[in-house]
Amino acid sequence: DSGVTQTPKHLITATGQRVTLRCSPRSGDLSVYWYQQSLDQGLQFLIQYYNGEERAKGNILERFSAQQFPDLHSELNLSSLELGDSALYFCASSVAVENTEAFFGQGTRLTVV
Amino acid sequence: LAKTTQPISMDSYEGQEVNITCSHNNIATNDYITWYQQFPSQGPRFIIQGYKTKVTNEVASLFIPADRKSSTLSLPRVSLSDTAVYYCLLMTTDSWGKLQFGAGTQVVVTP
Repeated sequence: DSGVTQTPKHLITATGQRVTLRCSPRSGDLSVYWYQQSLDQGLQFLIQYYNGEERAKGNILERFSAQQFPDLHSELNLSSLELGDSALYFCASSVAVENTEAFFGQGTRLTVV
Repeated sequence: LAKTTQPISMDSYEGQEVNITCSHNNIATNDYITWYQQFPSQGPRFIIQGYKTKVTNEVASLFIPADRKSSTLSLPRVSLSDTAVYYCLLMTTDSWGKLQFGAGTQVVVTP
């Protein structure tokens, strides 16, 4: 158990819908990362937050957005869903903004039908 | 961004030592070399990190030559449960916080 909690574990939704994925980082970790992993793309970095502020952005679509709340949990919002958005979405956390030892959650498997 | 190159896959038998070499010819002075392990449908797990020479922990060893243009992750006496994808990453100053995963090396351990 990494200490990072993601909910829900599985999500099935229709195209065009909007979903919210939730992540609770390890106790004491200020940095949260979001990753998308699909079969053909591998692990893709989406976005990073540190203590409530966006710190780094990767290949995140405009239809996707995220935020980190004062209690440090984070949410990833995916809207206007397409079939190609079906993937595993991982959240990770670390103590510092540049810490390479990030702890990953078990992921949310999103299936868009 | 400095890139890494590692083999796509490696096969091994139980009890053998597995060595995975990662090339990073353009590694920067301040870069650290980090390895992660990922099992199917699970999030990656940090294994080991080093800057130069050799680092060892309870799971693996990391060998880094003086020029730092490559590194080798060594898994001693692997078991079936070591079957996973292993990723070599560089932490670069122009990507603070971003862990850029490549394709990784699929290691398959058979009896």
